[in-house]
Amino acid sequence: AQSVTQLGSHVSVSEGALVLLRCNYSSSVPPYLFWYVQYPNQGLQLLLKYTSAATLVKGINGFEAEFKKSETSFHLTKPSAHMSDAAEYFCAVSDKSNAGNMLTFGGGTRLMVKP
Amino acid sequence: ETGVTQTPRHLVMGMTNKKSLKCEQHLGHNAMYWYKQSAKKPLELMFVYNFKEQTENNSVPSRFSPECPNSSHLFLHLHTLQPEDSALYLCASSQGSGDSYEQYFGPGTRLTVT
Repeated sequence: AQSVTQLGSHVSVSEGALVLLRCNYSSSVPPYLFWYVQYPNQGLQLLLKYTSAATLVKGINGFEAEFKKSETSFHLTKPSAHMSDAAEYFCAVSDKSNAGNMLTFGGGTRLMVKP
Repeated sequence: ETGVTQTPRHLVMGMTNKKSLKCEQHLGHNAMYWYKQSAKKPLELMFVYNFKEQTENNSVPSRFSPECPNSSHLFLHLHTLQPEDSALYLCASSQGSGDSYEQYFGPGTRLTVT
């Protein structure tokens, strides 16, 4: 069975500071990993995905994530936070043990950006 | 319309009512999903449809009844709900059922059961 843990349900950074949102997964087989963002009163929007090509994945809005198999991690980073980055972020995993494309989500991390 | 749309965006219903949520995807995808998003709980997958066939029912109570008449439309029929069913219900679609396909989400229906 696969699972996703997002450390820190709330993260607060100052505008211009580094954003680091943590995600650790467990999976019995090499996984596919995703980061989604959810703005208030909206659905989830894909930021980036890892599908076993490059371990450093670049996404939209300046975000990137690095797959580290030895640490079973897929942390999300952005060098400089903007006020518009305030949202909730979800890490998700999918692997071949699923009967189809079923994502398991972490509990989410709410990012707050202070001026 | 583009992407994944959901109607209504907000719904308030009593426990004895019957209502339906509608989802439509304009992406030419073949798989569609219903998720439940409750406060303080991770996103929960409810149902998966692949080429109109239900491939997953994640132990969802029978008061939730999905319907997928074609690959573009997905419904969630609701009856005799409980207050704990109040949540944001999200629909998603993906190109296929392979593991690497990302899912595209609609804006959700905010359901309140009184």
